[in-house]
Amino acid sequence: EVQLLESGGSLVQPGGSLKLSCAASGFTFSSYAMTWVRQAAGKGLEWVSTISAGGGSTYYADSVKGRFSISRDNSMDTLYLQMSSLRAEDTAVYFCRGTVAGNYYWGQGTLVTVSS
Amino acid sequence: DIQMTQSPSSLSASVGDRVTITCRASQGISNYLAWFQQKPGKAPKSLIYAASSLQSGVPSKFSGSGSGTDFTLTISSLQPEDFATYYCQQYSSYPLTFGGGTKVEIK
Repeated sequence: EVQLLESGGSLVQPGGSLKLSCAASGFTFSSYAMTWVRQAAGKGLEWVSTISAGGGSTYYADSVKGRFSISRDNSMDTLYLQMSSLRAEDTAVYFCRGTVAGNYYWGQGTLVTVSS
Repeated sequence: DIQMTQSPSSLSASVGDRVTITCRASQGISNYLAWFQQKPGKAPKSLIYAASSLQSGVPSKFSGSGSGTDFTLTISSLQPEDFATYYCQQYSSYPLTFGGGTKVEIK
């Protein structure tokens, strides 16, 4: 069974940094691209970033480019999102998502709150 | 960027109704479209990928169709557990983009 478990969300001050993790199990993690999607309270889904299976290619939404960095450790089956220069508008639940043989799998999400 | 427009933004329907949700892309995306269901306070659940392929474990009352710019998600007979918000998403090119969502409510 595919499982994705996010962690690392918390309250952080504007301008601060935070690193999210997503532990994967139930599939060959190193074979598939991984994605972060976020959702502000009461709002729709917003794509944040994607990383290729090997980690050599990364893609970012304009809203986070230059501030967020996606990475992965295929030996640990773990996806990361390093967030810096955080703003109030980054406040959201962050979901990790894997695409395995065409099927999409989601984690349960982790809440990031940016506030003073 | 490819814009995804869903309609309607909300609808009211009764148990047993057939429901259709539309998603339109601002440019052709072939069949690189997925549909997701989300209930309040929960993670999204994947329903359809490649416009018409059912995600494993998803009941056959859900179906998707379309190609190019116009797509539909159909629920053949609405059940109480289907009341939720539905999103489309294109994965033809980056940035990946979602539709604004369609909230399906009980009439």
